[in-house]
Amino acid sequence: QVQLMQSGTEVKKPGASVKISCKASGYMFTSYQMHWVRQAPGQGLEWVGVIIPSGGKTYYAQNFQGRVTMTRDTSTNTIYMELSSLKSEDTAVYYCAKETGAFEYWGQGTLVTVSS
Amino acid sequence: QAGLTQPPSVSKGLRQTATLTCTGNSNNVGNEGAAWLQQHQGHPPKLLSYRNNNRPSGISERFSASRSGNTASLTITGLQPEDETDYYCSAWDSSLSAWVFGGGTKLTVL
Repeated sequence: QVQLMQSGTEVKKPGASVKISCKASGYMFTSYQMHWVRQAPGQGLEWVGVIIPSGGKTYYAQNFQGRVTMTRDTSTNTIYMELSSLKSEDTAVYYCAKETGAFEYWGQGTLVTVSS
Repeated sequence: QAGLTQPPSVSKGLRQTATLTCTGNSNNVGNEGAAWLQQHQGHPPKLLSYRNNNRPSGISERFSASRSGNTASLTITGLQPEDETDYYCSAWDSSLSAWVFGGGTKLTVL
C-alpha cells in the first residue's frame, strides 16, 4: 500500500533554513508527481510546489519562489523540501502528497515552528 | 495568489443532505474542475473526489461532486456524525501555473 513517511518536528529561529523529507513506498516512485502543501495553525491549505521525481523538474508557488528548493533521491524514493530565510509566518504543518489526478495520498505532516 | 471561494460554515441535520460550494474562475474550476478534500482535526486531508466526480477507491458513494460553470459542488447525502469536519476544494489554475485551494468549509451535523 502507498505510504508517505515524513521526517519529524523542527524548531528553527527566524532567518534559518529547514529541510524536511518524505519517503515514499508502495508504488513506482518515478511515475507520479509529488507535492508539498502547508497548513498554518488553525488555517487552510496552501500549495508550496511540486517535483516530478522522474527528472527532478520542479514548479513552485509564486509566494515561495526564491526561498524553496525541492529535490529528490531516486535511490531511496525520498523527496526533500528546503525552505530558507524562515519567518514566524512559516510556522505550519508541511505535508507531502502524491498526485493521482489530485492529492490522493498524504504524509502524516511535519510541524515546523519558527520562533526566536 | 488568488484562491477559491468557499462558505466558512454549513449546518445540516442528521441524515439530511448537505451541498458545499466552491467558486473559482475559467482558469481553474471552470477549466479542469475541482478536487474535494475532507480533513479531521489533527489529521492530513483525505481526497474525496477529483476532476468533478472521480472518487478514489474506498470513498463512500454518499459523497458526490459536480460542476456548473466556475462553481464546483460537493453533495453529501445521509449525513452522519463523522461527516462533521472541514472540507476543502482545490483546482489547478492554468493562468497561475499553480494549485489553488478554497479557504475551507466547516460542516456541522445537527
